[in-house]
Amino acid sequence: AQRVTQPEKLLSVFKGAPVELKCNYSYSGSPELFWYVQYSRQRLQLLLRHISRESIKGFTADLNKGETSFHLKKPFAQEEDSAMYYCALKGNTPLVFGKGTRLSVIA
Amino acid sequence: DAGVTQSPTHLIKTRGQHVTLRCSPISGHKSVSWYQQVLGQGPQFIFQYYEKEERGRGNFPDRFSARQFPNYSSELNVNALLLGDSALYLCASSLVRGTDTQYFGPGTRLTVL
Repeated sequence: AQRVTQPEKLLSVFKGAPVELKCNYSYSGSPELFWYVQYSRQRLQLLLRHISRESIKGFTADLNKGETSFHLKKPFAQEEDSAMYYCALKGNTPLVFGKGTRLSVIA
Repeated sequence: DAGVTQSPTHLIKTRGQHVTLRCSPISGHKSVSWYQQVLGQGPQFIFQYYEKEERGRGNFPDRFSARQFPNYSSELNVNALLLGDSALYLCASSLVRGTDTQYFGPGTRLTVL
């Protein structure tokens, strides 16, 4: 079975502080992992995918197969990072999403 | 390009009724997927269509059905609506199947009374 777990519903950090949004997955095969973001009043959009190994808007995420994790990190949070973040896995269905974490960056 | 478009934006139905939701993919995209997002949850996969054929189905009852037209637009149909069908229904398109990036529409908010 494919499952994605995001343990935090809400994460509040101060502007300039480091951010880490946790994501753990369960999948017997070789997964593809994604982070999607939804800013206020906007549609869901892709933030980054593990196969690209790129940094988007200062965010990075490393796939750790041993710990089955794909945590999203940013060294210095900005107010415009406040949004809903979803971790997603592509196994044998298009995408399986976690329940999401709302990131609130406090000025 | 306006991106993925969905209609209607909002819809209110009563239990037992039938509903049809529509999706137009980004021009050139041949794959359309449907997701249901209940309040407080992440999107849940319902169907994927590619080249007008069903290529994947999530764990939803047979009351849910979909189709894709020759112009790659798609419809999601839900029969015998239940209160629990109240949700945001998202459509996503991609160029092809597989690892291609999915682009999401704004969704249709369905309320079942």
